[in-house]
Parts: sequence; structure tokens; C-alpha cells
Amino acid sequence: GIQVEQSPPDLILQEGANSTLRCNFSDSVNNLQWFHQNPWGQLINLFYIPSGTKQNGRLSATTVATERYSLLYISSSQTTDSGVYFCAVEARDSNYQLIWGAGTKLIIKP
Amino acid sequence: SQTIHQWPATLVQPVGSPLSLECTVEGTSNPNLYWYRQAAGRGLQLLFYSVGIGQISSEVPQNLSASRPQDRQFILSSKKLLLSDSGFYLCAWSRQGGAGNTIYFGEGSWLTVV
Repeated sequence: GIQVEQSPPDLILQEGANSTLRCNFSDSVNNLQWFHQNPWGQLINLFYIPSGTKQNGRLSATTVATERYSLLYISSSQTTDSGVYFCAVEARDSNYQLIWGAGTKLIIKP
Repeated sequence: SQTIHQWPATLVQPVGSPLSLECTVEGTSNPNLYWYRQAAGRGLQLLFYSVGIGQISSEVPQNLSASRPQDRQFILSSKKLLLSDSGFYLCAWSRQGGAGNTIYFGEGSWLTVV
């Protein structure tokens, strides 16, 4: 089955720094989504981005489907950005199942 | 707007006891519904999904079952809990059309089996 790898697994930054999170996938996908899980467990959908670039405030994401990767950019980090960021993809023969990466744990220090 | 709620938020259950987690979605009709488990704080495992009332698909063999008695209600159950059932359980929904639509999660339920 399709494999989803995220890097780095852990990232510690000072408030105000910028960061780039990466998601690689091993096969063609129907769609790709980025999620943020806060320290209390709540999962929030950030981007639905099967291809191209999207921006939402300090966050933006780019997916290059032909090269099977996606990047999540966080600019001017704030402590509230801390948590785990997940990438999830739907394979072309998925039958409703999202395949999840292991996540990147981000800690923003004040 | 659409909302999703699941409860209870936290529970501690003895081994061998039954389990019932409930999830409801408001503001939409005929959603796809999902139960996920997150065992180690990273990575989600799909347990069940449903495309309609009474239609349940299981992704992994396990000690759990799911039911969808109403269009916007999804229940996760077990007759006898095991220690390995401990974890963080998340209910989610998406619009019909499969996972190709944005998926929205409930608040989660922390289960500790002792």
C-alpha cells in the first residue's frame, strides 16, 4: 500500500521563527490533507490540497503531485502553533481510507 | 454550520467491562462517518467507516464494533474491553464522495482500560 513519510519527526523553534514540514508519499493520490493536533488532542483540518499552493494567514501549503510530496510552511511561529502536524492522503484505490503519516511534533518556545 | 460531538471525553474502565462511545453530527445530512484510534499520540488508525444507516465497514479485526442507528449518529462499542483498547478515539465526518472531501474531527475520547 501507499506509504506516507513526514519529516522532521520533531522540531523545536523559538517564537517568531519560520518552519517547513515535509510529507512524501509513495504513489499517486486523489487528495492530500494537512491537519494540526493541539496539545489537548483536537484535530483541525488546515488544508485540503491535492495539488498546487494554498495560503491561510501565516500558514501555506504546496503539493507537487508529480513528484509526490507536499510542504507545509509556518511563518512567524507562535506558541499556539505547537502540537503535531499530520499529513494524510487518499490513495487512488482507497475506498474511503485516508493513509496518515506519523506526524511532525512542533514545539514553539516563547 | 456543521458540528460534531463525541462523548464521553474521558473514561477509565476495568478490563472486561463494556464500552460505548457516541458521536453525533449536526448541520448536514447523510455524512460519511468514521471512528479512528490514536494509540501513541502519533498516527491515526481507521477502525470503522459508514456511508449510511446500518452500513458499517471495518478496516482492522479487533475487539470493537460500530453501529449507525441514525443518519447522524455513530456508536463505538465493545462487549469486553482489553488493556490494548486503551487510547484516544476520534469520531469524524465528511461529505458523501469518500475521503476526497475534507474530513472533520470530534473532540476525541480518552479511554484508559485498567
